[in-house]
Amino acid sequence: KQEVTQIPAALSVPEGENLVLNCSFTDSAIYNLQWFRQDPGKGLTSLLLIQSSQREQTSGRLNASLDKSSGRSTLYIAASQPGDSATYLCAARSNRDDKIIFGKGTRLHILP
Amino acid sequence: SQTIHQWPATLVQPVGSPLSLECTVEGTSNPNLYWYRQAAGRGLQLLFYSVGIGQISSEVPQNLSASRPQDRQFILSSKKLLLSDSGFYLCAWSVRREGEQFFGPGTRLTVL
Repeated sequence: KQEVTQIPAALSVPEGENLVLNCSFTDSAIYNLQWFRQDPGKGLTSLLLIQSSQREQTSGRLNASLDKSSGRSTLYIAASQPGDSATYLCAARSNRDDKIIFGKGTRLHILP
Repeated sequence: SQTIHQWPATLVQPVGSPLSLECTVEGTSNPNLYWYRQAAGRGLQLLFYSVGIGQISSEVPQNLSASRPQDRQFILSSKKLLLSDSGFYLCAWSVRREGEQFFGPGTRLTVL
């Protein structure tokens, strides 16, 4: 059974710093892994999707990597800004049973 | 461009009352559609998904049901709500099963 874990549950960093959010999964048999951000009381906004054959994806200040062999994905945020404050979630889609499993998220607070 | 709508945005219902939440997608055809629930302190849980009109798969046994009467319309229903049905309900769509998922704004349901 796939389990997706995001550590830490919460993180506070000063504005301008580069930071890394972690996502680990127990079963490497995945189609893809997707990163989202969620603002309080809102839906999820897709940030990046990495297919199982890819190692990384980039969008602006965001870079997501995928290492299936170690069961890890990281989301790198460069030059953090207060507007980056949100909860970041990762989700892995299994290629065994097609299920999508979400982590519980990392709540990020960028200090101005 | 594609957009996804959910209504109502918030809902307060007594225990035992019926439920109907609606989700519609614009700007795409034959999308894969998903219903998720996000409960406080827990990750997103996939409830139902649909690959076409009238085709519904249930991920978790519960007192909820889903229907897809039209290509771009997905409805979540219940005949009798339980206290445990309270949560944030999110609808999502993707072009194909393994594709990137896009989420709606969500419906906050409180069962009293």
